[in-house]
Amino acid sequence: KNEVEQSPQNLTAQEGEFITINCSYSVGISALHWLQQHPGGGIVSLFMLSSGKKKHGRLIATINIQEKHSSLHITASHPRDSAVYICAGGYTGNQFYFGTGTSLTVIP
Amino acid sequence: NAGVTQTPKFRVLKTGQSMTLLCAQDMNHEYMYWYRQDPGMGLRLIHYSVGEGTTAKGEVPDGYNVSRLKKQNFLLGLESAAPSQTSVYFCASSYSRRDGEKLFFGSGTQLSVL
Repeated sequence: KNEVEQSPQNLTAQEGEFITINCSYSVGISALHWLQQHPGGGIVSLFMLSSGKKKHGRLIATINIQEKHSSLHITASHPRDSAVYICAGGYTGNQFYFGTGTSLTVIP
Repeated sequence: NAGVTQTPKFRVLKTGQSMTLLCAQDMNHEYMYWYRQDPGMGLRLIHYSVGEGTTAKGEVPDGYNVSRLKKQNFLLGLESAAPSQTSVYFCASSYSRRDGEKLFFGSGTQLSVL
């Protein structure tokens, strides 16, 4: 049983395409994190949100608390966006539950 | 400003050997975490610390020990390594336990136990 589920697991897109990665969680959370892991392994926090929508450059993250669902959108995708995207549910206290990640490859 | 620094980046051990992974952060963060990342699984919490001198067990603590003698450092020890501990280990830190606090990650340690 995984508290956080992501889809799709793998995604290949052509440069310039609009990309959506989905995250669903089964238990109540206080915040939802989107992380990016590049080849070579480093993990960077992209967004942290507990309601509504956040935008940073070509990246947009949304969350629907009632539906327990979040999406990460990438507009005008570029090969440098190729990475693994991970969502994580933050819970009161110290626990985070991580999804297994979506591996994105953007082809020039 | 280095952020979160993990050493070593790679290590190969034989079964039964011991080692210590070091995590250092220069952001004055209270909270520090050790995770392991295995193929097909999300990051799983091994141990965490809510401040200097404190440690607590996470989801998968067996076979690991930790210490937080200084606020900036969080050490992860393997006393007797086993092949099941082959994984990529990540250290992370955050400033407080406020809900939604941003996590900062180290670059990871790839450990192989033969």
